[in-house]
Amino acid sequence: AQSVTQPDIHITVSEGASLELRCNYSYGATPYLFWYVQSPGQGLQLLLKYFSGDTLVQGIKGFEAEFKRSQSSFNLRKPSVHWSDAAEYFCAVGIMDSNYQLIWGAGTKLIIKP
Amino acid sequence: NAGVTQTPKFRILKIGQSMTLQCAQDMNHNYMYWYRQDPGMGLKLIYYSVGAGITDKGEVPNGYNVSRSTTEDFPLRLELAAPSQTSVYFCASSYLGPNSYEQYFGPGTRLTVT
Repeated sequence: AQSVTQPDIHITVSEGASLELRCNYSYGATPYLFWYVQSPGQGLQLLLKYFSGDTLVQGIKGFEAEFKRSQSSFNLRKPSVHWSDAAEYFCAVGIMDSNYQLIWGAGTKLIIKP
Repeated sequence: NAGVTQTPKFRILKIGQSMTLQCAQDMNHNYMYWYRQDPGMGLKLIYYSVGAGITDKGEVPNGYNVSRSTTEDFPLRLELAAPSQTSVYFCASSYLGPNSYEQYFGPGTRLTVT
């Protein structure tokens, strides 16, 4: 069955430090891949997406992600985090079953230390 | 464009009461979705629609009903509210086209059943 795993429930990073959030998926074909961010009390906002082509994709707010087919991974990175990056981050995989759906990871909560 | 709008933002229901959560989008998207998000958890799909007049169950449809009479609107009906339905509800929409498989989210409705 298709699944998305975000192995880290919480991650704490110092302001100015680099960040990597992990995402692994299980799907038989090449999926559509997404990262969303949810600030406290808010809805979900798309950070970036991968459909095809260059496996390193750039998103908003200085984030990037790299698709590695051999590892079934789509990890999110940022070279230097800001306090405003504190939020919950969700990885999602788009699949075409009977209809098109997103399969969601459980999320990773990012905590920024001053 | 307003994007995806949801009303109300907050609601408290007593056990056994019913209500309708409203969702509208003005992007002419064909797909629409209802999710629930429980505290500290990811998103669970309740129902989705691939177009006006067509709906289908997601992962957790029990206790809910939907209808889609127009492209723009996708209301979610709760009958006989139960404490287990206390959650934050998100509506989303998407347009399946070239490089366009992401979902756009509304701000959410926070529902408490007591």
